[in-house]
Amino acid sequence: DAGVTQSPTHLIKTRGQQVTLRCSPKSGHDTVSWYQQALGQGPQFIFQYYEEEERQRGNFPDRFSGHQFPNYSSELNVNALLLGDSALYLCASSKNREWETQYFGPGTRLLVL
Amino acid sequence: GQNIDQPTEMTATEGAIVQINCTYQTSGFNGLFWYQQHAGEAPTFLSYNVLDGLEEKGRFSSFLSRSKGYSYLLLKELQMKDSASYLCAVLDSNYQLIWGAGTKLIIKP
Repeated sequence: DAGVTQSPTHLIKTRGQQVTLRCSPKSGHDTVSWYQQALGQGPQFIFQYYEEEERQRGNFPDRFSGHQFPNYSSELNVNALLLGDSALYLCASSKNREWETQYFGPGTRLLVL
Repeated sequence: GQNIDQPTEMTATEGAIVQINCTYQTSGFNGLFWYQQHAGEAPTFLSYNVLDGLEEKGRFSSFLSRSKGYSYLLLKELQMKDSASYLCAVLDSNYQLIWGAGTKLIIKP
């Protein structure tokens, strides 16, 4: 079992550009959550997908959007990148509402110049 | 607003015991988690408390008091590999995880 995988591992973009991050959940997991973690801070919840629908959303602007595919994999899209979007983006998968099973991927480190 | 407080940094000696505290004020409570995060890596699950009391798992134990909005993580027989950040997170009434900023634990020989 490969666990949660994310791609790419690192990414450099310039302000105003758009970015797509990808996540494949752990085998047997059907729920995917995305988090943003700034340096020296705890993660902040962006949104959660279940059954290809956005089920929960944190306090993030509409520039942040996502998608979940029938195979439970997910994408996070960020439009009109700002310098402040530079962070580690973490994907976590779990079984539906079994929060103690949540397992994190290695993250994508995004740098916006 | 929602708030989770934990010390920014703690230092302990190899072989000793350390207690990392976490206090929270959230809109609702559906459980409290502790995660370990080594620098540059993803958080890994340590414990989940939903009822009051102490949960022991090997060298790590976690305590919860819901009435006091308080939890602690107890690490025994500290090893150098325990040097990491320890994150406290609460599942609120909307089933969203609210995270503290983490406690950086430094272990000295």
